[in-house]
Amino acid sequence: GAGVSQSPSNKVTEKGKDVELRCDPISGHTALYWYRQSLGQGLEFLIYFQGNSAPDKSGLPSDRFSAERTGGSVSTLTIQRTQQEDSAVYLCASSLANGRMEHNEQFFGPGTRLTVL
Amino acid sequence: GENVEQHPSTLSVQEGDSAVIKCTYSDSASNYFPWYKQELGKGPQLIIDIRSNVGEKKDQRIAVTLNKTAKHFSLHITETQPEDSAVYFCAATYRWYQKVTFGIGTKLQVIP
Repeated sequence: GAGVSQSPSNKVTEKGKDVELRCDPISGHTALYWYRQSLGQGLEFLIYFQGNSAPDKSGLPSDRFSAERTGGSVSTLTIQRTQQEDSAVYLCASSLANGRMEHNEQFFGPGTRLTVL
Repeated sequence: GENVEQHPSTLSVQEGDSAVIKCTYSDSASNYFPWYKQELGKGPQLIIDIRSNVGEKKDQRIAVTLNKTAKHFSLHITETQPEDSAVYFCAATYRWYQKVTFGIGTKLQVIP
């Protein structure tokens, strides 16, 4: 079946512009996660959705970052007034999260590579 | 919150040798420990996981061990092959609806 998809795969923008990154999770997955991965670095947690609500936004680096999820499916991560330090790969993952621990596996998308000039 | 430390950050082994990656976690409530493999240009993919009611789990050439008392867990890859070359992440969480905390990653290189 279809996995997690993200668009665009690559985004080059100028400093100060806003960008929107999109994530389409696996159908039926209630949990959705956004991570940031800078070059050669680990996975930095940004935000987590359960359904349409975000019980944990603790990883958002600043108020320039926001995310929403509608219909319990698609999510968009928006970065306003982009800075060069925002350049990274943004990864989205989804999981079934139906209360059984064995269904906590996160399925990752291929990521969006963001370059801020 | 949970803190996961992972080492080494890089690891080079000869093909056929074993590789071991170690992680420690801080929150004694954590009870689910997945391992992910990330190949170049792709998102991470789950390769094996272990829950706190189990001390060891094996899947062909891959095994994971967990010591709850010491709060550390390890990934063991035996008979390494060039296709095992990738970045490996350990992670920990304690409730199915909570975020998963990842380690910094280990870049494994298997030398033919």
